Amino acid sequence: EPEVTQTPSHQVTQMGQEVILRCVPISNHLYFYWYRQILGQKVEFLVSFYNNEISEKSEIFDDQFSVERPDGSNFTLKIRSTKLEDSAMYFCASSNYNEQFFGPGTRLTVL
Amino acid sequence: SQQGEEDPQALSIQEGENATMNCSYKTSINNLQWYRQNSGRGLVHLILIRSNEREKHSGRLRVTLDTSKKSSSLLITASRAADTASYFCATDFQGGSEKLVFGKGTKLTVNP
Repeated sequence: EPEVTQTPSHQVTQMGQEVILRCVPISNHLYFYWYRQILGQKVEFLVSFYNNEISEKSEIFDDQFSVERPDGSNFTLKIRSTKLEDSAMYFCASSNYNEQFFGPGTRLTVL
Repeated sequence: SQQGEEDPQALSIQEGENATMNCSYKTSINNLQWYRQNSGRGLVHLILIRSNEREKHSGRLRVTLDTSKKSSSLLITASRAADTASYFCATDFQGGSEKLVFGKGTKLTVNP
């Protein structure tokens, strides 16, 4: 059964460093998303991406964040200068309009 | 906030019993989806119910939706220890937004 994959599973970085989180969505899906979950809190929407552009973003998704679909398969989230409060589980999801299927997540720890 | 809360926040039952979790929301929706999350792991999609549907089944799962009360319930029948997880509802709202808004979830423990 097709699934969303994410790498790495765990990333540790120093405050101020740039990180890139990678996702491979389900191959025939057209809509892509990033969400995050701070430990013990709700899953929060960050951004949606369709037709090679951002279709919606939350107020969390400020200038430090960017997304890219560099080729036909990968979908990346970049955080330019990480802060302590960026520590969270980051989930990628993809859909063909209705059901959103999530990847296993990348646990980002900012020290 | 567009999303209410799931209730209960935590539920502990014995294997073989049924588990019922509820979810409320505040504005009109297109769809409501239920997800399962094992501790510290990814979100597994369980079932989607559309705003014009009232009930849906998938294996041991039964989901109901009452749009007049803006609420949904997830019933797991004949629970197993492997059902131990957190369960979340997520809604996408009318008005063209695709984003999902999640509740805080119900932590279900099924004791063997």
